[in-house]
Amino acid sequence: DTGVSQDPRHKITKRGQNVTFRCDPISEHNRLYWYRQTLGQGPEFLTYFQNEAQLEKSRLLSDRFSAERPKGSFSTLEIQRTEQGDSAMYLCASSLRTGDFDEQFFGPGTRLTVL
Amino acid sequence: RKEVEQDPGPFNVPEGATVAFNCTYSNSASQSFFWYRQDCRKEPKLLMSVYSSGNEDGRFTAQLNRASQYISLLIRDSKLSDSATYLCVVNILNAGKSTFGDGTTLTVKP
Repeated sequence: DTGVSQDPRHKITKRGQNVTFRCDPISEHNRLYWYRQTLGQGPEFLTYFQNEAQLEKSRLLSDRFSAERPKGSFSTLEIQRTEQGDSAMYLCASSLRTGDFDEQFFGPGTRLTVL
Repeated sequence: RKEVEQDPGPFNVPEGATVAFNCTYSNSASQSFFWYRQDCRKEPKLLMSVYSSGNEDGRFTAQLNRASQYISLLIRDSKLSDSATYLCVVNILNAGKSTFGDGTTLTVKP
């Protein structure tokens, strides 16, 4: 499978614990995005990388959230001291930006449940 | 007010019907526009880009009205398999961020 993959697919954790998610983008894609989606809402932008550089972070992203893409390939999203409000689907997407066109290919997501 | 707004629906239509969805955006610097489709409990997938001149892909037609800042998606001859949530997406030129609407849910019934 040469699409975007995410691991784990599901994560249940207790409030206050730290969690880390991994995203492996399509190999030649230079951009990688993280989104959060809750039921009935569209994906909400969290952050994105161009190669290994993190170029933008949402103002909604608290200090408990951090993302890395150390070698410009896979990325990790860590949430520290999880809260019940962090329960959501975390989606990763990648793209090969060419001019104005930027089709994003999404992974299957990691569903986080904070108890 | 949200940056991208869509009528959430749901739209319940019979097979063969024509249905149209609208999406409005607030940032006049918005430059590129897309419609994504999301099936229940699945990831979003690109349905089509929206070009200034309007574009068509089979039964699907997308239109852009920059003056009024809205985008539309028309689906003709609806199929059962068209049942999904349709997400409007807006990008600002030279910005990495994509802004998604909350989606419009379509159910096509036999």
